[in-house]
Amino acid sequence: DSGVTQTPKHLITATGQRVTLRCSPRSGDLSVYWYQQSLDQGLQFLIQYYNGEERAKGNILERFSAQQFPDLHSELNLSSLELGDSALYFCASSSGHWETQYFGPGTRLLVL
Amino acid sequence: DQQVKQNSPSLSVQEGRISILNCDYTNSMFDYFLWYKKYPAEGPTFLISISSIKDKNEDGRFTVFLNKSAKHLSLHIVPSQPGDSAVYFCAASLLSGGGADGLTFGKGTHLIIQP
Repeated sequence: DSGVTQTPKHLITATGQRVTLRCSPRSGDLSVYWYQQSLDQGLQFLIQYYNGEERAKGNILERFSAQQFPDLHSELNLSSLELGDSALYFCASSSGHWETQYFGPGTRLLVL
Repeated sequence: DQQVKQNSPSLSVQEGRISILNCDYTNSMFDYFLWYKKYPAEGPTFLISISSIKDKNEDGRFTVFLNKSAKHLSLHIVPSQPGDSAVYFCAASLLSGGGADGLTFGKGTHLIIQP
């Protein structure tokens, strides 16, 4: 158990819809990262937040957005969903900018 | 453009022998490397890391070797145990960029330990 929690575990929705994935980092960790794992692309970095502020952006689509709240939990919002958005979405946390990242169990999203 | 490559999608090793997983990278700016292990339906679990100022790091049965000139790293598991059967991901990061940013992952190697 990494100490990072993600909800929900599974999510099934339809194209065009919007969903919110939630992540609670390990106690004391200030950085939260979001990753997408699809079958053909592997694990891809989406975005990082540090203590409430956006810190780095990776391959995140404009339809996707994230935020980190004062209690340090984070939400990833996916809108106008397409079939290709079906993937595993992982959240990771670390204590600072360059410490090791610890991953949550992931949310499996299926867009029908 | 894949900056971190794991060219072996799978590897089968006999229990008790050494498992060697390889990883190549193309971005010479990477200065921190990690190995993660992943079981089905779970998130990646951190195994071991190495910074670019070292060429070897050891933790129990796991040793990571870094060859900067060849832009190559490897993970050695000795001895291999049945519980080591999993997908292993190599990841790289840019510490010197002022922050860890995101990790760049390889596509993974599925290690199968045979009894």
